Amino acid sequence: SQQGEEDPQALSIQEGENATMNCSYKTSINNLQWYRQNSGRGLVHLILIRSNEREKHSGRLRVTLDTSKKSSSLLITASRAADTASYFCATDAQGNNRLAFGKGNQVVVIP
Amino acid sequence: DSGVTQTPKHLITATGQRVTLRCSPRSGDLSVYWYQQSLDQGLQFLIQYYNGEERAKGNILERFSAQQFPDLHSELNLSSLELGDSALYFCASSVTGDGAQYFGPGTRLLVL
Repeated sequence: SQQGEEDPQALSIQEGENATMNCSYKTSINNLQWYRQNSGRGLVHLILIRSNEREKHSGRLRVTLDTSKKSSSLLITASRAADTASYFCATDAQGNNRLAFGKGNQVVVIP
Repeated sequence: DSGVTQTPKHLITATGQRVTLRCSPRSGDLSVYWYQQSLDQGLQFLIQYYNGEERAKGNILERFSAQQFPDLHSELNLSSLELGDSALYFCASSVTGDGAQYFGPGTRLLVL
C-alpha cells in the first residue's frame, strides 16, 4: 500500500516563525489529510484536501497539493510552543477512508 | 477530546497471552478503524468496520481479529502475543464520506 513520506523528519524553530513540512506519495489519491500527534497521544485531524483542490486554509494552517508531483506541504504560520508535536500526512487512495500514513515530522517550537 | 474512547489505557501482559482492546466511537459515527503504531512500522491500518460489517482489511495478522457490535462499539482481539506486538493501538471513527477520522487516546500494549 502507498505511504506518504514527510520531509524533513525533524524541525526546530523559534516561536513566531513559520514551519513548513512536505509529504510525497506514490499513487493517485482521493484526498490527503494532515494529523497532529502530541507525544504518545491520539492523533488530531487538522485538515483534508481533496485531489481536485490545490490549496486549503484553516486558521494558521495552509496546505497545498500538487497531484502532478504527488506531493503536499503543510505550513504553520506564526508558530507557538503548543504547536510542538509530530505531524503526519495520510493519503486515501480509493476514497474508502483507509488511510496510509507517512513516518511523521517532529516539530519543536522553542519559546 | 475527540469523543472516541478506548480502554484500557495501558496493558502489560506476557507472550502467548490474549487481550481485548475496546473502543467506543463518537456518537453517530458508523465507521470504526483500528491502527497499530510502533517505532519500526509507524502507523499501520489494521481493519475497518462499518455498521457492524467488516469493510476493509489492512496489515492485520491472523492472530488478530476484531468485531463491531450492534451498539457500534468495537473490540480488537490480539492472541498468541509476541514481543513484537508491543505498540500503541488506536481506534478511530468517522462519518462515512466525511474523510476526517477522529482518533481515541490509544491503548499502550507491552508484551513481556
